[in-house]
This record gives sequence, structure tokens and C-alpha cells, in this order.
Amino acid sequence: SQQGEEDPQALSIQEGENATMNCSYKTSINNLQWYRQNSGRGLVHLILIRSNEREKHSGRLRVTLDTSKKSSSLLITASRAADTASYFCATWGGGADGLTFGKGTHLIIQP
Amino acid sequence: NAGVMQNPRHLVRRRGQEARLRCSPMKGHSHVYWYRQLPEEGLKFMVYLQKENIIDESGMPKERFSAEFPKEGPSILRIQQVVRGDSAAYFCASSPTGQGFYEQYFGPGTRLTVT
Repeated sequence: SQQGEEDPQALSIQEGENATMNCSYKTSINNLQWYRQNSGRGLVHLILIRSNEREKHSGRLRVTLDTSKKSSSLLITASRAADTASYFCATWGGGADGLTFGKGTHLIIQP
Repeated sequence: NAGVMQNPRHLVRRRGQEARLRCSPMKGHSHVYWYRQLPEEGLKFMVYLQKENIIDESGMPKERFSAEFPKEGPSILRIQQVVRGDSAAYFCASSPTGQGFYEQYFGPGTRLTVT
């Protein structure tokens, strides 16, 4: 079963607005990562936040992590048309297996 | 520094044939992961390999699927006797260190279609 569940499944906003996506997970984690996937392409790593961190910034991205609620959010500020993509959260629990991905949020930025 | 390379990008196979997917990790990376993505779904972990070793294959179907990462050459994901349900995008990722401590670098994927 999926570890991470993104919310909403799809989001359409105007260029320049902020976009917020949420991710919930079920078991304890070592870190949580956000990736972007453009249609038909591979995944691009955006940001990694460790379980002992609460907030992290990278350019126009801001990620928060609440381990007590087992949730994370990704905020993209001042959105651009090029931000149109699917965004996935992925968790790593510390074992030998790989990342566990959610189903993603499909973000559409309207020009 | 070239990124993760996967080939072929698209592969069409008839039911019962074999599919071989290749992945060359980023230079300096010795850890390779394979994931499968069904339409409108997230990626599902299949197998984690280091050179000449399978570290974790808990996500691999028990039959028809195998993976290797030889000392020389790319990692290979092999699917024998393909069925329609194997149609998916298969992504390879590499990392400089093991497990999930750091981000993984993904290839462009191989889209397998079984007819």
C-alpha cells in the first residue's frame, strides 16, 4: 500500500499565486523527500527534510514536516507556468528498501 | 557529468516475449534502484542493488522478474514472458551512498508496452 498520500490529487491555480500540497504518511520515517515529474519524464529531486527537521527552504520552495501528525507540506511561492507538473512525496523509513511514493498531486499553473 | 541513462526509452513486446531494460547510473554512483510506475500512480519500489549484489528485492514480483548490476556495465531489469499487466514505466535511480539517506537521481524511464 502507498505510504504517502498527497492532497489534493489535482490543483489548478493562476500564475503568480502560491501552491500548497500536502502529504500524509503512516509509519515512522528517517526522511521525507519531494520530487517533481513533468509529463512523460523522469523524476527530479526538489528537497529532502529529515525527521529531526521541521522546515526547509530552497528558492521558491518551502517544506514543512510534522512528525507528530505524520504529515508534510510543500509550498511553491509565486508560481510559474513551468511549475506545471506532478509532485510526489516519498518517504524512507531507514531500511534497506527504497523510497515509498504517494500517488502525487497534479499541479496546473494557468497563464 | 551525464545523468542516469536508461535505454531503450520505449519498448514494445508481445505477450510471452522477454523485456530487457538497461540502466547506467551517474558516474561515481554504485547504488541502483528500480521502480515501476503504473498510469496515474506513484512509483513503487522494486529492487535495490549494489555492484554484483542484490541488497533488497522485496518489491519484485516473485516470478518472471530479475535484476542484476554486474561489476562492469549497466544494471539490467529482465522480465520474462511478459504479460499485459507488465505495461508500465520503469524508472531507475542511483545514489552515491546506500539506502535513502540522500536524494536519488532518476533516469528518464523506459516505457514498456505489452501487446
